[in-house]
Amino acid sequence: DGGITQSPKYLFRKEGQNVTLSCEQNLNHDAMYWYRQDPGQGLRLIYYSQIVNDFQKGDIAEGYSVSREKKESFPLTVTSAQKNPTAFYLCASSRQGDGGYTFGSGTRLTVV
Amino acid sequence: AQSVTQLDSQVPVFEEAPVELRCNYSSSVSVYLFWYVQYPNQGLQLLLKYLSGSTLVESINGFEAEFNKSQTSFHLRKPSVHISDTAEYFCAVSGLSSNTGKLIFGQGTTLQVKP
Repeated sequence: DGGITQSPKYLFRKEGQNVTLSCEQNLNHDAMYWYRQDPGQGLRLIYYSQIVNDFQKGDIAEGYSVSREKKESFPLTVTSAQKNPTAFYLCASSRQGDGGYTFGSGTRLTVV
Repeated sequence: AQSVTQLDSQVPVFEEAPVELRCNYSSSVSVYLFWYVQYPNQGLQLLLKYLSGSTLVESINGFEAEFNKSQTSFHLRKPSVHISDTAEYFCAVSGLSSNTGKLIFGQGTTLQVKP
């Protein structure tokens, strides 16, 4: 079955460390997205990519970086510059023009 | 640009009672509208969507939503809720003319179904 896989499900980071969250899809979707979810704040867009080797900043890109070297993969790196990284991170993909997203099951990142 | 307002952060309701989760949007262009559901520690699942055609859209588990262009609303309703409907619900909007496919999400409404 097609879908989106995010790994790991839980991740712990020490202050000052970079960590990378994985997102892989086998839906043949062109567009992929990273959102951050905090209690009471809904979902906020970090980065998105519509085609391979191209991506754009979302509303809260500072302290994050991404790459899109393959259509199937859109990893997110949370850098040490992100001052408040503890959150639930969601990856999604969509077919162009369809408007609806398919979401992964999320990665919960905690700074210790 | 688009924005979405979910008018209630929490909605408590007893099992088998009807429920309405309210969603209003703002947009200068025509829109697609969506409702997603999220169970604890999981990703979001598409519940239903309005792209065009009939303004009343239904999901397979008894939810329905009506697109009201004049009131810029897309409220979600269910005539009789179950304990298993307890979850967080997100309304989202995408501009028809947008070539990015970005969805703008509301803040979410937590539906708490009590026995």
